[in-house]
Amino acid sequence: DVQLLESGGGLVQPGGSLRLTCAPSGFRFSTSAMTWVRQTPGKGLEWVSTISHNGGATYYADSVKGRFTVSRDNFKNTLYLQMDSLRAEDTAVYFCAKVMWPTYFDDWGQGTLVTVSS
Amino acid sequence: DIQMTQSPSTLSASVGDRVTITCRASQNIVNWLAWYQQIPGKAPKLLIYKASNLPSGVPSRFSGSGSGTDFSLTISSLQPDDFATYYCQAYNDSLWTFGQGTKVDIK
Repeated sequence: DVQLLESGGGLVQPGGSLRLTCAPSGFRFSTSAMTWVRQTPGKGLEWVSTISHNGGATYYADSVKGRFTVSRDNFKNTLYLQMDSLRAEDTAVYFCAKVMWPTYFDDWGQGTLVTVSS
Repeated sequence: DIQMTQSPSTLSASVGDRVTITCRASQNIVNWLAWYQQIPGKAPKLLIYKASNLPSGVPSRFSGSGSGTDFSLTISSLQPDDFATYYCQAYNDSLWTFGQGTKVDIK
């Protein structure tokens, strides 16, 4: 079975940084594009970033462009989201998901909560 | 950028009802549309991909239709497990966009 386990969330002050990690299992990670989606408490889903299977292409929502960096290590079987210059509006549950390239997300993790507050 | 508009925002229905949710894209997305179901506190679950295809394991009471800019998700006979929030999601030009969601609750 496909499993995706996010970690790294927590409380951070505005302007701070945090790195999220997603540990996949049950599928061939190195051939799968991956994505990050977030959900503000009580609100809807917002696509954040996508990375191609080999890391050669990355895509970002305008709301995080220039502040967030998605990366992956196919040898360590790990997906990352480096979040810098965090703002209160970045407070959300962050999900990683597997991309059925290029259009939809067929497996999701349970999410990790990021809270940006002083 | 594409905007996705779902309607209604909330829908009250009873077990056994036929329910339809619509999603409109601000530009032509061909059939690059997916639907997800989310139960509170859980991750979204893929229900429909490429507008009308069901992944393995999704009950046949769920169906999707549409192309271009107008799409719909239909639940033919609402079951207790179906009370949840549903999101459409489009893909276009290396951007992925969700609708704002439709909450289906018990009448």
